Amino acid sequence: AQSVTQLDSHVSVSEGTPVLLRCNYSSSYSPSLFWYVQHPNKGLQLLLKYTSAATLVKGINGFEAEFKKSETSFHLTKPSAHMSDAAEYFCVVSDPYNAGNMLTFGGGTRLMVKP
Amino acid sequence: EPEVTQTPSHQVTQMGQEVILRCVPISNHLYFYWYRQILGQKVEFLVSFYNNEISEKSEIFDDQFSVERPDGSNFTLKIRSTKLEDSAMYFCASSREINTDTQYFGPGTRLTVL
Repeated sequence: AQSVTQLDSHVSVSEGTPVLLRCNYSSSYSPSLFWYVQHPNKGLQLLLKYTSAATLVKGINGFEAEFKKSETSFHLTKPSAHMSDAAEYFCVVSDPYNAGNMLTFGGGTRLMVKP
Repeated sequence: EPEVTQTPSHQVTQMGQEVILRCVPISNHLYFYWYRQILGQKVEFLVSFYNNEISEKSEIFDDQFSVERPDGSNFTLKIRSTKLEDSAMYFCASSREINTDTQYFGPGTRLTVL
C-alpha cells in the first residue's frame, strides 16, 4: 500500500523568502509523484510531476521538487515566495502498476505568505 | 485551456435523499475519476472509470454509490440515499491515458447533508 505524509500542516513565510514544503512517501514500487495546488474555490491544479526521469523536477510558477529515493522524500521548493503562492499544497503518489490509477493524497500544507 | 467542470458548486440535501453530482471531463480524455474530501481530512479516491466500466473502486464506494457516463460529455456520481457522513467536497478528474498520466481536476461540488 502507498501513503504520503506532509510534515507540516501550515507553513508561513514572508514574501521574497524561500519556500520549503516537505513530503515523504511510502510505496512498494517506483512511484509517480505529484504536487498539486488548490487556491480558494478553485480546482486542484498540477504544479509538477515526477515519473522516473530526472530527479529534479521543475514545475509551473517557479516551483521545483527533488525526488530522493534514499530518503523517500519529494520536497517542494521555491526560491522566492510571492503573495499569489498562498494556497493549499498537496503531495500525491500514484502506483504505476495500479490498474485504476488511484492517486493517494497527503494531508495538505497550507502556505501563508506575509507581506 | 480545456478544463474539467462540475455542477452544482454546492448541493444541500436531506438525509436519505438521492443526489447526482455532474462533471464534464476534458473532451479527449478517456479515464474519469471521483475523489472526495471530508472537511479537515485527506482527499480520498472513490472510483475510476474507463470504457463504460469501473476500473477500480475504494472501500468507500459501496452500493450507495454509482457512476455513469450517460452521454459523450457528462460523467456523474449518484448517491442513492445520502447519510450525514457523505457531507464532503467531491472532486471529479479526468486523464487522457492511464498509469502516470496527469489527472486534471474540477473545482469540486460541496455536498451538505442535513
